[in-house]
Amino acid sequence: ELKVEQNPLFLSMQEGKNYTIYCNYSTTSDRLYWYRQDPGKSLESLFVLLSNGAVKQEGRLMASLDTKARLSTLHITAAVHDLSATYFCAVDGRTTSGTYKYIFGTGTRLKVLA
Amino acid sequence: NAGVTQTPKFQVLKTGQSMTLQCAQDMNHNSMYWYRQDPGMGLRLIYYSASEGTTDKGEVPNGYNVSRLNKREFSLRLESAAPSQTSVYFCASSEAGVEKLFFGSGTQLSVL
Repeated sequence: ELKVEQNPLFLSMQEGKNYTIYCNYSTTSDRLYWYRQDPGKSLESLFVLLSNGAVKQEGRLMASLDTKARLSTLHITAAVHDLSATYFCAVDGRTTSGTYKYIFGTGTRLKVLA
Repeated sequence: NAGVTQTPKFQVLKTGQSMTLQCAQDMNHNSMYWYRQDPGMGLRLIYYSASEGTTDKGEVPNGYNVSRLNKREFSLRLESAAPSQTSVYFCASSEAGVEKLFFGSGTQLSVL
């Protein structure tokens, strides 16, 4: 059964600092997704990582994927207040019937302090 | 562009009542999903549908039923609501396996 773990669950950081969120998953998958959720809102897609070694960057966020280690990281560079949100990783696992289901991690609630 | 539309946005039920959450997408996606979000638990998959006419159980299907009415619509039914089903429910769609999920705005459900 596919399990997805994120850490840390909560992260409080000062503006201007760097930090990394980790996402581990339990079974083979070549695809991993990162989403952002603002309080009271829905989820919006940040990154789609489709192969081993994939790296995507958008502004102060950079995501990478190591399928051999079953690990993805979301790196935050020089954090700003606007990055305060909850970040989720998700992995799509192919089922025995050939369909795909997306399993999410527990989320990391990020708070950037001025 | 409507994307994924969920109704209602808010609902309060009494224990034992039934209700159906509606979801529709206009992106011609084959796959649709229902998730629930609880504090500290992330999003947990309730049911999903890989294509019209098929449905499969996810991580937490007990107490729920689903119907894939056509390619656009995927409904979630609570036959006899329980307080443990108090949660925020999200519907999502995708071209499974090759694309990200597109989410609806969510339904906040309280069962008293």
